[in-house]
Amino acid sequence: GQNIDQPTEMTATEGAIVQINCTYQTSGFNGLFWYQQHAGEAPTFLSYNVLDGLEEKGRFSSFLSRSKGYSYLLLKELQMKDSASYLCAEGSGAGSYQLTFGKGTKLSVIP
Amino acid sequence: GAVVSQHPSRVICKSGTSVKIECRSLDFQATTMFWYRQFPKQSLMLMATSNEGSKATYEQGVEKDKFLINHASLTLSTLTVTSAHPEDSSFYICSARWAGENEKLFFGSGTQLSVL
Repeated sequence: GQNIDQPTEMTATEGAIVQINCTYQTSGFNGLFWYQQHAGEAPTFLSYNVLDGLEEKGRFSSFLSRSKGYSYLLLKELQMKDSASYLCAEGSGAGSYQLTFGKGTKLSVIP
Repeated sequence: GAVVSQHPSRVICKSGTSVKIECRSLDFQATTMFWYRQFPKQSLMLMATSNEGSKATYEQGVEKDKFLINHASLTLSTLTVTSAHPEDSSFYICSARWAGENEKLFFGSGTQLSVL
């Protein structure tokens, strides 16, 4: 099965930039997802990468290197509301889109 | 974007009782829905894949007789936790894939189950 690794916790300052890394080891790769999850709530979709390179969406960007089994989520101009867990997830199973999630990175944004 | 509604949001029940959780796709048809479970500080773990009109596919280690899944229509899937015990206390989340945005899963708001 998949083995998805990401840091457990990170702390960053309001207004700064933070990069959350994710590595995965798998076959049957079908896309790399990033979700944001606030405590007690369901995850919300942030990004999806299936090809190598950087995808930018406003303050959030996501990068993928398939050959290295590596992705990162980049958050710019951090705001206090960005404090949440960020889940790296790998898609597999063509047609059914099953996701395997990492344990999540708890990001704390401090003033 | 698509909306997935999950109900109830919170359940507290006695050990031995059964609890039903509903997951509805409000503005799209979902032939496939997924049920996840999340323990505190743990990742979301896929429990089963719910297919409309057929039996659910359960992940290894998930008891199909304990976690009954019914997907009777294209907009509704239910998860029933039968004879719940304290170790079943967890956050249960459903999700559905919308063909209109093929790469996304849309999640329900989750159900926090506490078994006393």
